[in-house]
Amino acid sequence: DAGVIQSPRHEVTEMGQEVTLRCKPISGHDYLFWYRQTMMRGLELLIYFNNNVPIDDSGMPEDRFSAKMPNASFSTLKIQPSEPRDSAVYFCASRSRAGLNQPQHFGDGTRLSIL
Amino acid sequence: AQTVTQSQPEMSVQEAETVTLSCTYDTSESNYYLFWYKQPPSRQMILVIRQEAYKQQNATENRFSVNFQKAAKSFSLKISDSQLGDTAMYFCAFMSFQGGSEKLVFGKGMKLTVNP
Repeated sequence: DAGVIQSPRHEVTEMGQEVTLRCKPISGHDYLFWYRQTMMRGLELLIYFNNNVPIDDSGMPEDRFSAKMPNASFSTLKIQPSEPRDSAVYFCASRSRAGLNQPQHFGDGTRLSIL
Repeated sequence: AQTVTQSQPEMSVQEAETVTLSCTYDTSESNYYLFWYKQPPSRQMILVIRQEAYKQQNATENRFSVNFQKAAKSFSLKISDSQLGDTAMYFCAFMSFQGGSEKLVFGKGMKLTVNP
């Protein structure tokens, strides 16, 4: 079975530009999570969805960040305008509805560098 | 708020030896879940093992086992017969469900190096 698929794997862009990160969850998983990983702050939850509906976006750092899930097989995380401090690895994860003991399955992440 | 602490930032072990990674957490919840994830240099986050707080029996997955001490809020990971492929960052994580929202909180991670 295919795992969580993220694209692009690497993104380098100049500050001020719009950045869009993409995620395809595992088929049949009802929950989708976006995380950010930095050396200083470690792994932080940004937002998560249940059945395409945002449940908790308290981790989204600023209004420059937005996330959508238009259908069960696709989600985007957008940063507009981007800033150098947004440089990080962004992970998407998905989880089955079967219970909280079901682990989150992570994608390979997108390494974002804002110059 | 829940917190997860991994006090050892880095460890090294010889191949075939046993190593224990420590993790403590702070919570007022009674029902929660604990996980260990591994992140090799390839960057992928891989689940190693999980433990439900209501289960007294410690979880085991092949060479990986945990020592779960609920009263002490401790959740250590033991790796037996260490292999070169075990070299990675290891993250302890805590999950609970509060106020209609779930949250997986990660520790800062620990870098494990297995030497030949």
